[in-house]
Amino acid sequence: QKEVEQDPGPLSVPEGAIVSLNCTYSNSAFQYFMWYRQYSRKGPELLMYTYSSGNKEDGRFTAQVDKSSKYISLFIRDSQPSDSATYLCATNAGGTSYGKLTFGQGTILTVHP
Amino acid sequence: DGGITQSPKYLFRKEGQNVTLSCEQNLNHDAMYWYRQDPGQGLRLIYYSQIVNDFQKGDIAEGYSVSREKKESFPLTVTSAQKNPTAFYLCASSPPGARNGYTFGSGTRLTVV
Repeated sequence: QKEVEQDPGPLSVPEGAIVSLNCTYSNSAFQYFMWYRQYSRKGPELLMYTYSSGNKEDGRFTAQVDKSSKYISLFIRDSQPSDSATYLCATNAGGTSYGKLTFGQGTILTVHP
Repeated sequence: DGGITQSPKYLFRKEGQNVTLSCEQNLNHDAMYWYRQDPGQGLRLIYYSQIVNDFQKGDIAEGYSVSREKKESFPLTVTSAQKNPTAFYLCASSPPGARNGYTFGSGTRLTVV
């Protein structure tokens, strides 16, 4: 079993839809949670970062963490064609792991005009 | 502008040949990482380095080698022992501390011909 599971999709939605992207993890030591966005043939870029359980909002993006169920989500409101990309969740245990991130498989998202 | 530079963008390798992928950063980050990305498998860690002259194997280090002679540079050599090297290779760096996300390079696409 992978430490971080993410549905690879692909996910296709119309412009303006609310998108929900999800990951589950198995290691209770994971403390820091991130979402990366990766456009085709490019490196991933950090989109959102959260630490505690709860919600964190940044514009059209909301990251949600539920540590009790080991579930993390990214919501995109009013989705745009420019949001079409692969979204990767990532997590880190802290301590001696020194920033070594564990990634999910990535979800491919397409937003149609 | 600070960032990570990977070169070349595309690389072709013949059977039995060693090739080296370059990764340079000017962010003054201590830690550097090499990931391999295959369709449907997300990012898999090959090697990482926390300080100069020190590095550790990741999950899929067989057939790869690295060096960290300078803080700014972390080249990856794909040796002939790597039987399935065709993939997208990503280099990343991060400052100290588990809660910091990575900055990624734009990647190198390696193809065996």
